[in-house]
Amino acid sequence: SQQGEEDPQALSIQEGENATMNCSYKTSINNLQWYRQNSGRGLVHLILIRSNEREKHSGRLRVTLDTSKKSSSLLITASRAADTASYFCATDGEYGNKLVFGAGTILRVKS
Amino acid sequence: EAEVAQSPRYKITEKSQAVAFWCDPISGHATLYWYRQILGQGPELLVQFQDESVVDDSQLPKDRFSAERLKGVDSTLKIQPAELGDSAMYLCASSLGGAKNEKLFFGSGTQLSVL
Repeated sequence: SQQGEEDPQALSIQEGENATMNCSYKTSINNLQWYRQNSGRGLVHLILIRSNEREKHSGRLRVTLDTSKKSSSLLITASRAADTASYFCATDGEYGNKLVFGAGTILRVKS
Repeated sequence: EAEVAQSPRYKITEKSQAVAFWCDPISGHATLYWYRQILGQGPELLVQFQDESVVDDSQLPKDRFSAERLKGVDSTLKIQPAELGDSAMYLCASSLGGAKNEKLFFGSGTQLSVL
């Protein structure tokens, strides 16, 4: 079962533009994480935001969390071709410590 | 930087055959996870180990899948017999202790094709 749902399913932008991906979930959580996956590879952890945090930054990444709306967004600023990948949100809480992933957003950055 | 090692990278097999995947987590990581990822979907947890003990195998199809982590270090996931629907990426991940608010480190995965 997949708790998080990313939106949009796919996103295509020009290099230098910003990319925003959204994640909605159904139950209360302890934390929400974002991961990146290059084609045919494993997932790489990007950022973790706790349920009592509202915003977090890491380099060109900005994550927000709205627990009242059960949603999170990932913003990638000044995108690069190397940012082309699938991006997944993952949440815990519904099933204890079990981390449940959404279906992902496919981001394509055109150079 | 330490990595999670997985082998083989690719595996092609015929249905009804047995297949096995191996994973070596980052040294010192007590928690090991096996995920299955079908094309176009997110990873789904199959089994979670804390040291050598299984803590969650609720989504593991136990009639054909088995997993072990005998010495609490590396792990093997086996499928016998393989079915066409088992074609997927099998990802291994590890974390320090399995507590809340921990990030997972993933291997590069084994891409399984069942013909």
